[in-house]
Amino acid sequence: DVKVTQSSRYLVKRTGEKVFLECVQDMDHENMFWYRQDPGLGLRLIYFSYDVKMKEKGDIPEGYSVSREKKERFSLILESASTNQTSMYLCASSRWDRGYGYTFGSGTRLTVV
Amino acid sequence: ELKVEQNPLFLSMQEGKNYTIYCNYSTTSDRLYWYRQDPGKSLESLFVLLSNGAVKQEGRLMASLDTKARLSTLHITAAVHDLSATYFCAVDIGDDKIIFGKGTRLHILP
Repeated sequence: DVKVTQSSRYLVKRTGEKVFLECVQDMDHENMFWYRQDPGLGLRLIYFSYDVKMKEKGDIPEGYSVSREKKERFSLILESASTNQTSMYLCASSRWDRGYGYTFGSGTRLTVV
Repeated sequence: ELKVEQNPLFLSMQEGKNYTIYCNYSTTSDRLYWYRQDPGKSLESLFVLLSNGAVKQEGRLMASLDTKARLSTLHITAAVHDLSATYFCAVDIGDDKIIFGKGTRLHILP
């Protein structure tokens, strides 16, 4: 069964901490994405990557960075966590042609206190 | 401004009834996706519609795409409680990006 795996299901961090969210896919997909989902705001794209070491800003990149050193792994980094980054974070991957759409991970619910 | 609008945003319906969720979008696109999300869970792919006139069916759900009208529909036939969830449409706008609608929260009453 093909999978997108996010390392943590729930995470609680303190304001100012550096936070790493990890995502690994086993489908040999070229594209990987990080979204956050908030009530009333839907899904918003933070960053995406279409190749190793490549990254593109999405709609809300401020306060975040990403790393893609290997094809299967895409990391989201919160350099200095703030309470307004409390959210559900969803990782997704797709083929280069998006022919089967996106496959999503199970999500990480991050709470910043 | 790119918009993907779902209608309705919330739907409460009786088991056994039929209903349709609409997804309108404001940009040219020839592919669209439907996802389901259960509370506290991630998004599960339901349908991938890759061309004008595409129609896909799975069980009690049927999705269609009219690229000329910039409209997709998700039709529910004889609803059952297990279909209660939030349904998202997402429009492929190229450049490796898709834009999601706000979601339709479907509540099916026994």
